[in-house]
Amino acid sequence: GQSLEQPSEVTAVEGAIVQINCTYQTSGFYGLSWYQQHDGGAPTFLSYNALDGLEETGRFSSFLSRSDSYGYLLLQELQMKDSASYFCAVTIGTYKYIFGTGTRLKVLA
Amino acid sequence: DAGVIQSPRHEVTEMGQEVTLRCKPISGHNSLFWYRQTMMRGLELLIYFNNNVPIDDSGMPEDRFSAKMPNASFSTLKIQPSEPRDSAVYFCASRTSDRGWETQYFGPGTRLLVL
Repeated sequence: GQSLEQPSEVTAVEGAIVQINCTYQTSGFYGLSWYQQHDGGAPTFLSYNALDGLEETGRFSSFLSRSDSYGYLLLQELQMKDSASYFCAVTIGTYKYIFGTGTRLKVLA
Repeated sequence: DAGVIQSPRHEVTEMGQEVTLRCKPISGHNSLFWYRQTMMRGLELLIYFNNNVPIDDSGMPEDRFSAKMPNASFSTLKIQPSEPRDSAVYFCASRTSDRGWETQYFGPGTRLLVL
């Protein structure tokens, strides 16, 4: 079967750094993506890692270790607008994405 | 670019009625996905089209669900007859097969409530 695990909820204060972990067990692996979804909104793409290492995009960074079947999303200089759900997703084929159950991030003032 | 467009944004219907959800992908994108999102099951892929052809419909829950893509700019997801357990948010997403293929662009979703 396919499974992705991520924490259900994370709380942090404005200006802090938070890391959201994702471990996966899938039958195939092309890459690991991260999506952000605000309440009532649509998922929006944040990052994609196909190879081991760190990818940085502004305040957000994403890391992948294929040997450990593990990745994380790092959010720096947290802002109130970062309060949302964050989903990791594994691409197991050219089109098939398996999404995690999501991590709800609460940013406190 | 207008992004992925879905209609209606909200739909309330009674059990047994036919429901049709519509999607217009981003111009130039040749891959289209229909997803369903619920609290219990998260985001699930229902069907995937490539170049207007259904490639994988293994996620379609039952024969009550059907999807079509008559051309590159339009797709429908139909539920007939609808049941209360079909209540969910249905997202359409599109992507290119060129550079940047790993990014899916989601529409705003259709919130379906079946009474």
